[in-house]
Amino acid sequence: GAVVSQHPSRVICKSGTSVKIECRSLDFQATTMFWYRQFPKQSLMLMATSNEGSKATYEQGVEKDKFLINHASLTLSTLTVTSAHPEDSSFYICSARPAGLSYNEQFFGPGTRLTVL
Amino acid sequence: EDQVTQSPEALRLQEGESSSLNCSYTVSGLRGLFWYRQDPGKGPEFLFTLYSAGEEKEKERLKATLTKKESFLHITAPKPEDSATYLCAVLGSSNTGKLIFGQGTTLQVKP
Repeated sequence: GAVVSQHPSRVICKSGTSVKIECRSLDFQATTMFWYRQFPKQSLMLMATSNEGSKATYEQGVEKDKFLINHASLTLSTLTVTSAHPEDSSFYICSARPAGLSYNEQFFGPGTRLTVL
Repeated sequence: EDQVTQSPEALRLQEGESSSLNCSYTVSGLRGLFWYRQDPGKGPEFLFTLYSAGEEKEKERLKATLTKKESFLHITAPKPEDSATYLCAVLGSSNTGKLIFGQGTTLQVKP
């Protein structure tokens, strides 16, 4: 149980293009999903908190117009990196917290490796 | 400010050599302390949640314990497949669902 998928697992794009990453909770509903970024040999950096049916909450320093987040259903959140540049190359990981007051755990997806040329 | 510090940063063990990883934390109103395992190029895999001091949880060769200031992840007779980065995170009452992560401990178990 508590499986989270991400698609694509890897993406290579040219500078200036936009890339969409999907995050799905496969066997549970998630009112809250989280998007992280991870650089080599570093820990996870939270980018934003995504709540179903409402606007995402972005962490300080994260450009909301560059990293568009949509959480249209209880099982799907998307992250769109707009006008990507080489400095956006990173490992992006989503997590989902099961709906219900008793749940505090977050379950993570396998991650998406973005390379911007 | 909620904070998590993990030590050591890296740990090398021989197969069968038991050891412990430390996670020290300061948090306003602990709602949970979490241990995750992360393999290179993959997302973190959930291991344990601990809620209150004195609580212990076990899974195969891993045992997690919790005090009011720190948590330990004990690894008994590790195997090479236990090699990974182990992440500790806390959830406090001051953050809306946000986990505060430590920097992780990278464990290498040699055969």
